[in-house]
Amino acid sequence: KQEVTQIPAALSVPEGENLVLNCSFTDSAIYNLQWFRQDPGKGLTSLLLIQSSQREQTSGRLNASLDKSSGRSTLYIAASQPGDSATYLCAVRDQNSNSGYALNFGKGTSLLVTP
Amino acid sequence: EAGVTQFPSHSVIEKGQTVTLRCDPISGHDNLYWYRRVMGKEIKFLLHFVKESKQDESGMPNNRFLAERTGGTYSTLKVQPAELEDSGVYFCASNRGGTQYFGPGTRLLVL
Repeated sequence: KQEVTQIPAALSVPEGENLVLNCSFTDSAIYNLQWFRQDPGKGLTSLLLIQSSQREQTSGRLNASLDKSSGRSTLYIAASQPGDSATYLCAVRDQNSNSGYALNFGKGTSLLVTP
Repeated sequence: EAGVTQFPSHSVIEKGQTVTLRCDPISGHDNLYWYRRVMGKEIKFLLHFVKESKQDESGMPNNRFLAERTGGTYSTLKVQPAELEDSGVYFCASNRGGTQYFGPGTRLLVL
């Protein structure tokens, strides 16, 4: 059974800092990995999706890396801004055909960027 | 393009009552998913529809939960009778493949 862990659970940084959020998963046989953002009272917004054959994806100030063999992914946020404050969720879709399309989520990292 | 919508946004009911949650996926998305997040835990998969068929319902907690997707458009998730541990946020998502697009969720509180 896939277990997804995110560290740290919460993070507070001053504006302008670069930061790294970590995600680990127990079963390396994955189909893909996604990073989501959730704002309070809102749904999840997909930030980056990395296929199992890829090593990283970039979008603006965000860069996500994937090391499938070690069961790790990182989300790098450059030059953080107060608007980046949100909960960041890592989700893994397993390669096992029996698990279908279900996403396995971590508990998230709550990020606060202070002005 | 309208996103995934869910109704109601909040629901407060008493233990033993029935509640029905609705999800309208993005138009043209055959895949529809239900997820749930209970307090302090991670978001957990409940089930997956392809059009009107249940593709995977391995995450449904028990037989008090009934999901339907008549006609392959919107979906409902009924909880009957509701228990205290059913409190949480229920998310719906849809896609045609690739990224799943999530709705804002329904916050359910069972007293």
